[in-house]
Amino acid sequence: DAGVIQSPRHEVTEMGQEVTLRCKPISGHNSLFWYRQTMMRGLELLIYFNNNVPIDDSGMPEDRFSAKMPNASFSTLKIQPSEPRDSAVYFCASSLRGGRAFFGQGTRLTVV
Amino acid sequence: QQQVKQSPQSLIVQKGGISIINCAYENTAFDYFPWYQQFPGKGPALLIAIRPDVSEKKEGRFTISFNKSAKQFSLHIMDSQPGDSATYFCAALKGGSEKLVFGKGTKLTVNP
Repeated sequence: DAGVIQSPRHEVTEMGQEVTLRCKPISGHNSLFWYRQTMMRGLELLIYFNNNVPIDDSGMPEDRFSAKMPNASFSTLKIQPSEPRDSAVYFCASSLRGGRAFFGQGTRLTVV
Repeated sequence: QQQVKQSPQSLIVQKGGISIINCAYENTAFDYFPWYQQFPGKGPALLIAIRPDVSEKKEGRFTISFNKSAKQFSLHIMDSQPGDSATYFCAALKGGSEKLVFGKGTKLTVNP
């Protein structure tokens, strides 16, 4: 298995632009997570899905952030409009059972 | 509110030495405690995990020690090697939940 696949690996965008991050989880995994990692705040869980249904989005910072999982093999995290403080590494992870989460390589987002 | 407190923030150890990273938690509903290892430019990867019904778990040079009464657990890396240089995260999970709570991370440097 190729593991969790995220794209793009790097994204540089201007403030105010829309950003879409993509994730393909490991086949057969039924939970998908979006995390944000910064030096200041560490790893923060933004949202997670179980069987394509959003279960907990309490970590989504504000309405500018949205996430979808239209099917078991694809998810997106969208930021609209983006701001410089959104600059971070965004990770997608998937799991079949609690705790054993497999992470993707991450998307490094820079908003200038 | 930080549910899992990790220390130290950074650690420098000589090759062959023992690296010790500590974590403490408050929520007694947590029943699964994994450690993740993250190399630069990569996503975190599960290293070793423990449940509170045992006090110690060993896998190769990596050992988790768990103290249920003190609500603390620690990672010991024996015979530390330069290849162990990475950031280590402790985490905790409540039974029935998929939502991992991470510590802030410890950056380990093993000098040759």
